[in-house]
Amino acid sequence: EPEVTQTPSHQVTQMGQEVILRCVPISNHLYFYWYRQILGQKVEFLVSFYNNEISEKSEIFDDQFSVERPDGSNFTLKIRSTKLEDSAMYFCASRLLLAGAIVSHEQFFGPGTRLTVL
Amino acid sequence: DQQVKQNSPSLSVQEGRISILNCDYTNSMFDYFLWYKKYPAEGPTFLISISSIKDKNEDGRFTVFLNKSAKHLSLHIVPSQPGDSAVYFCAEGDNYGQNFVFGPGTRLSVLP
Repeated sequence: EPEVTQTPSHQVTQMGQEVILRCVPISNHLYFYWYRQILGQKVEFLVSFYNNEISEKSEIFDDQFSVERPDGSNFTLKIRSTKLEDSAMYFCASRLLLAGAIVSHEQFFGPGTRLTVL
Repeated sequence: DQQVKQNSPSLSVQEGRISILNCDYTNSMFDYFLWYKKYPAEGPTFLISISSIKDKNEDGRFTVFLNKSAKHLSLHIVPSQPGDSAVYFCAEGDNYGQNFVFGPGTRLSVLP
């Protein structure tokens, strides 16, 4: 069964450094998402991406964040200058968009990348 | 101000009994409501969804009920199994799937 993959599984970085989190969505999916979950807190929406541009972003997704789909398969989240409070699990998700003629709302999540900022 | 609330952080149920997980929301503009299950060290897994024009959707042991006037959503699992032990998130989304808002989650423990 196709699945969303994410690399690395764990990333440790120093405060102020740039990190890139990578995701490979399911191949025929058209909508892509990034979420984060700070330890002990809820899953928070960061950004959605469709047709090579951002569709929607939350307040969390400030100028320090950017997303890219550089090669038609990878979907990346870049944090330009990490802060301590960026430490969290980051989940990528993808969605088919249409199942036949019906809009599909099911998002398939990857296993997550644990980001630790020291 | 939480848009999606799950007021019970945890719930314990005996195997074979019914589990009822509740969710309240404030934003009436969303079109779809979903339930996700999450095991430790894994990403959330989609369980079941319901359109805002329906009041019930059933899939095997899982049934979701929507009460729009009360802005309340519930997930019934019957019979509950030990493998159902996980954190359950309700979420609401728009019809275009551009963004979803998750609740804080309820940890369900099904006791053998």
